[in-house]
Amino acid sequence: NAGVTQTPKFQVLKTGQSMTLQCAQDMNHNSMYWYRQDPGMGLRLIYYSASEGTTDKGEVPNGYNVSRLNKREFSLRLESAAPSQTSVYFCASSWVNTEAFFGQGTRLTVV
Amino acid sequence: GQQLNQSPQSMFIQEGEDVSMNCTSSSIFNTWLWYKQDPGEGPVLLIALYKAGELTSNGRLTAQFGITRKDSFLNISASIPSDVGIYFCAGVGNNDMRFGAGTRLTVKP
Repeated sequence: NAGVTQTPKFQVLKTGQSMTLQCAQDMNHNSMYWYRQDPGMGLRLIYYSASEGTTDKGEVPNGYNVSRLNKREFSLRLESAAPSQTSVYFCASSWVNTEAFFGQGTRLTVV
Repeated sequence: GQQLNQSPQSMFIQEGEDVSMNCTSSSIFNTWLWYKQDPGEGPVLLIALYKAGELTSNGRLTAQFGITRKDSFLNISASIPSDVGIYFCAGVGNNDMRFGAGTRLTVKP
């Protein structure tokens, strides 16, 4: 049972480049989330999706877009990467209002 | 927006001591969660709380969902070196989940 799988695990981008972070879960969860974690800080919610076909902004959505492709997959896109987006990105999934399970993270560096 | 205040930010304790940390919020939550994160890993769930006033234990860990639904605490008894890590509280409400800034725990043997 894979749980929550994120790809890639590491990525280096140049300023202005675009990329998509992929996330898939095999637990049939309704809700999925994207967070970023900066050194020494907690997790800040970027976007979330309460169900297939819906997405909502979290605390720090600027510079990001998301797609809930189907119930399993929730992708995060950076259209024009900036150094301020250097961070570790975590995807998570859950049933409604229950505990969430996290992926291993994507470590993104923008130079 | 919803904001969780987690304290303390860090703790340095001796092996065998008990630890207590808490989270407060100006908003109410339907669910309180406590996670632990080791370096280079994603957060791992320790305890989930679903009802106001609920007190739940998981081995040496005990957590409570505050009666006002705006706070929660986590206690760790008889700490051991592998308790080292960052502990996060999380509140779930309105389909989103917000995290506290974390408590960094160091345990000296």
